[in-house]
Amino acid sequence: DAGVTQSPTHLIKTRGQQVTLRCSPISGHKSVSWYQQVLGQGPQFIFQYYEKEERGRGNFPDRFSARQFPNYSSELNVNALLLGDSALYLCASSLIKSTGIYEQYFGPGTRLTVT
Amino acid sequence: KQEVTQIPAALSVPEGENLVLNCSFTDSAIYNLQWFRQDPGKGLTSLLLIQSSQREQTSGRLNASLDKSSGRSTLYIAASQPGDSATYLCAVNPFEKLVFGKGTKLTVNP
Repeated sequence: DAGVTQSPTHLIKTRGQQVTLRCSPISGHKSVSWYQQVLGQGPQFIFQYYEKEERGRGNFPDRFSARQFPNYSSELNVNALLLGDSALYLCASSLIKSTGIYEQYFGPGTRLTVT
Repeated sequence: KQEVTQIPAALSVPEGENLVLNCSFTDSAIYNLQWFRQDPGKGLTSLLLIQSSQREQTSGRLNASLDKSSGRSTLYIAASQPGDSATYLCAVNPFEKLVFGKGTKLTVNP
C-alpha cells in the first residue's frame, strides 16, 4: 500500500504570498493532521481533520487554514506568508483502531522557504 | 500544558554499542506514546507505539518502555549500526494530536 503522499516536495515563496500544500492519506485512513517543523525543533500540531470536520487546532494564527475532501485528502493553506513560516510541513494520517488508539503515519513533508 | 523533553540533545557512539534515549513528559493523561526516526530533511518514520496501558514494546533491536506515572519513556537500541544515525523523536498523544520533544540526534561512528 502507498504511504502518505504530499505535494509539492519543495516550494519557494515571497513574503505576503499565499501557498497551498496537499496531502493524500493512506487508503482507509479518515483522519489527517498537519504539523509544522522548524529547523532544530520537534513538529508542532496545526490541525486535525476527521471525516471532513476540524477536530483540533493548534496555536497558529488565522492565516493558517485547512480542509479535508470527500476522498479524505487534505489541503493546508497559508496566507500572507512571513519569513517565520519557513519550515517543513508534515502531514500525518491515522486509523482509529478498535482500542481507540490513533497511530499516526507521516508523509515525506513539504519544505517551504519564504524569502 | 503537555511538555515533552528529550535528553540528551545529541549523542555520538561507536558502532556496536548499546544505547538509551530518554523522554519525559509533564502530564500523564496520555493515550499512547510513539517513537519516531527522522533522517535529515525527511519525514518521520514510526518506530514503536506504546499504548498507555502497556509497559514496553519491542521491534527488532529496538525496545521502548513507558512509565506513565513518572512521565518517562526510554528507547533502547541494541548493537547500534551506522545506519541508525538519525534524529529520534518522542511524541505523546493526549487526544487526537501528538506533542513532540525536540529530539535526540544520534550519530553512530563506524
